[in-house]
Amino acid sequence: GQQVMQIPQYQHVQEGEDFTTYCNSSTTLSNIQWYKQRPGGHPVFLIQLVKSGEVKKQKRLTFQFGEAKKNSSLHITATQTTDVGTYFCAGLSIDAGKSTFGDGTTLTVKP
Amino acid sequence: DAGITQSPRHKVTETGTPVTLRCHQTENHRYMYWYRQDPGHGLRLIHYSYGVKDTDKGEVSDGYSVSRSKTEDFLLTLESATSSQTSVYFCAISIGARGYTFGSGTRLTVV
Repeated sequence: GQQVMQIPQYQHVQEGEDFTTYCNSSTTLSNIQWYKQRPGGHPVFLIQLVKSGEVKKQKRLTFQFGEAKKNSSLHITATQTTDVGTYFCAGLSIDAGKSTFGDGTTLTVKP
Repeated sequence: DAGITQSPRHKVTETGTPVTLRCHQTENHRYMYWYRQDPGHGLRLIHYSYGVKDTDKGEVSDGYSVSRSKTEDFLLTLESATSSQTSVYFCAISIGARGYTFGSGTRLTVV
């Protein structure tokens, strides 16, 4: 079945440093979505990417979808303490009718 | 978020007892999902529904059953709870390009 790998599992940064998490799928994707989960909370939808090579920005967050539509990344510039949480990708395989979530990257930010 | 509520929020139950978790939505969405979240495993799909009385298994469906007799309600039943089913359970609805909207979760402890 489809597998979605996400790295790193954990990332500890100093406030102001950049952060990147990577998502890799074993199959070609129709789309990829990104979610953020604050500690003790539920996942919240951030964005969906659909096109090969697509890049989208949300303030300090930059999302990319690979040319082959099998990988994606989320980059946060100049992290803040409010960025703390776990970031998940979810890939919808071309062959499947539902998305598969990666295991998430947990970001901690030291003030 | 999109009128989705889960009940109960917390539950402690004994091994071998049946448990039912409820998910209720107010916006008439067709697709509903049950996920479990465990440390290091991200979100794993248990069952999903694509309409009243239409359900299908996810990747970790053993020991769980679901029912959807009304569009707004999606029930998850643990037929005979085991300690391995101690987890946080999230219900979600799918809103197309706006991704999944998750409920606040049910923290279930099986002792």
